[in-house]
Amino acid sequence: AQSVTQLGSHVSVSEGALVLLRCNYSSSVPPYLFWYVQYPNQGLQLLLKYTSAATLVKGINGFEAEFKKSETSFHLTKPSAHMSDAAEYFCAVSENTGNQFYFGTGTSLTVIP
Amino acid sequence: EPEVTQTPSHQVTQMGQEVILRCVPISNHLYFYWYRQILGQKVEFLVSFYNNEISEKSEIFDDQFSVERPDGSNFTLKIRSTKLEDSAMYFCASSVTLASQFFGPGTRLTVL
Repeated sequence: AQSVTQLGSHVSVSEGALVLLRCNYSSSVPPYLFWYVQYPNQGLQLLLKYTSAATLVKGINGFEAEFKKSETSFHLTKPSAHMSDAAEYFCAVSENTGNQFYFGTGTSLTVIP
Repeated sequence: EPEVTQTPSHQVTQMGQEVILRCVPISNHLYFYWYRQILGQKVEFLVSFYNNEISEKSEIFDDQFSVERPDGSNFTLKIRSTKLEDSAMYFCASSVTLASQFFGPGTRLTVL
């Protein structure tokens, strides 16, 4: 069975600082991994995904994530935070042949001016 | 850019009433999903639908829930007799393959 753990339900960073949002997964088969962002009162927007190609995945808005099989991690980073990055971020995992996504509990990112 | 749409954006209903949440998936997508997010909690999978039948469902998706693709464009979630604990944001998603899902903006269901 798959599961996702997001360490840190709330993360605060200063504008211009590095953003690091942590995601660890468990999966009995090679996983597909995703990061979604949710702005207030909006739906889930796909930031990036890993589907067994390059382990360093670049997404929208300057975000990237690195798949590390040995650490079962897929942490999301951005070199320099913008005020507009303030949102809820969800990591999700699915099997490469399965249907459902398993979401983490989310990390709320606050960017301090 | 194609997107998944959902209506209504907010639905208020009385306990015990039936509700139908509507979704229009992206037109060339083949897989359809419903998820829910109770306030402050994680997004939870409800059901997936492919080739006009349910392909997978979670424990949450009991006999009170049903899904339908009535006309080739809409994808609906029906809750027959709503309970207070059904209050949540309901997200529809669709995908071409199993590798990526595109989510709609959600319908906030409030059961009074």
